[in-house]
Amino acid sequence: DTAVSQTPKYLVTQMGNDKSIKCEQNLGHDTMYWYKQDSKKFLKIMFSYNNKELIINETVPNRFSPKSPDKAHLNLHINSLELGDSAVYFCASSGTERGFPGELFFGEGSRLTVL
Amino acid sequence: SQQGEEDPQALSIQEGENATMNCSYKTSINNLQWYRQNSGRGLVHLILIRSNEREKHSGRLRVTLDTSKKSSSLLITASRAADTASYFCATGDNYGQNFVFGPGTRLSVLP
Repeated sequence: DTAVSQTPKYLVTQMGNDKSIKCEQNLGHDTMYWYKQDSKKFLKIMFSYNNKELIINETVPNRFSPKSPDKAHLNLHINSLELGDSAVYFCASSGTERGFPGELFFGEGSRLTVL
Repeated sequence: SQQGEEDPQALSIQEGENATMNCSYKTSINNLQWYRQNSGRGLVHLILIRSNEREKHSGRLRVTLDTSKKSSSLLITASRAADTASYFCATGDNYGQNFVFGPGTRLSVLP
């Protein structure tokens, strides 16, 4: 049973298109995240949701819009894709440990290539 | 703002040797975590150390934390070819809302 699953695993699309990546976790965690990993492997947080409420929104273009229909799902929609959006996008979730977020559980990533 | 910085960026050792990676950070933390990422895969949690802890062990892994120097180290003993991966440190802030990752250390263990 996959703990954090995201789809699609690979996405190749043209500039200007709109695309979505879906994420689901079956761990019962309250907090979910989207991270972007660039070509140099640097991992940067984009968004964090706690119980469907947005709690972190880093400096991300507003072409990126997260949506959390329930606490087990966090989807990422990207409008008007640009070349610089090419990266691997990771979904993650965490429970709490002594009142603070515990370890992160990551999905396998969605590799987005914008042509 | 970037928090953790791993050092070295890349490390190549022979099987059976020990591998040490370091992580430095800038602000107060609640905990520090280490993750492993195999090529083309997601990150996997290895170990979490809280700000009031100084050392922690898990199998062949040993993590230390020095909050006065704002640094941590990950030691992998008796390395194996399967340990070849990128290793990241991540710091959890005291607000409990965010994890910030460093750029990682690429470890290659040669058979």
